[in-house]
Amino acid sequence: RKEVEQDPGPFNVPEGATVAFNCTYSNSASQSFFWYRQDCRKEPKLLMSVYSSGNEDGRFTAQLNRASQYISLLIRDSKLSDSATYLCVVNPTSSAGNNRKLIWGLGTSLAVNP
Amino acid sequence: DAGVTQSPTHLIKTRGQQVTLRCSPKSGHDTVSWYQQALGQGPQFIFQYYEEEERQRGNFPDRFSGHQFPNYSSELNVNALLLGDSALYLCASSFGRGSLRQETQYFGPGTRLLVL
Repeated sequence: RKEVEQDPGPFNVPEGATVAFNCTYSNSASQSFFWYRQDCRKEPKLLMSVYSSGNEDGRFTAQLNRASQYISLLIRDSKLSDSATYLCVVNPTSSAGNNRKLIWGLGTSLAVNP
Repeated sequence: DAGVTQSPTHLIKTRGQQVTLRCSPKSGHDTVSWYQQALGQGPQFIFQYYEEEERQRGNFPDRFSGHQFPNYSSELNVNALLLGDSALYLCASSFGRGSLRQETQYFGPGTRLLVL
């Protein structure tokens, strides 16, 4: 099993739709999680950090399910500008271990259509 | 507040050559991580520098080396370039030890390397 797995998509949705991505991780000791967004040929940009059960920022909601070892990203009322690749990132150890090697998923591609 | 900067933006080299990429972290950050991202793939961790030392390393050969300077800027060096080294090289900066939020990384625009 890969350390971090994402459905590569692509997800094609109409404007205004609600779309959700899941990301599963293999290390149950993982403490912190992140969603990044990456536009074509650009660098990843931090979208959201998840340290406890979840986080919400406007139309974006991230939820963490430790029992099932996955995090999800929900995008409501999707806009054309949401079209991008969404990368899931997991820190597989606690911060006390000073291990800052983050594990990246391959990303989920989203295309929002007019 | 200057973000993460990288130079050069694009580079073309031939097999066997050596390349040096540069990164200046975001103001206030002291940790620099380097990633390689091939087309259609997620970023692959190369290594991380903190207090001028390599702290973590991914599964990359010794041809990949780096350095961090007292001002926290960093260089990535790749020797004996192979065709497979063609990729986007990303630098990410973060703030060091302490809280969990140390892992939040901010990326530079990357250097696109093409090896012919």
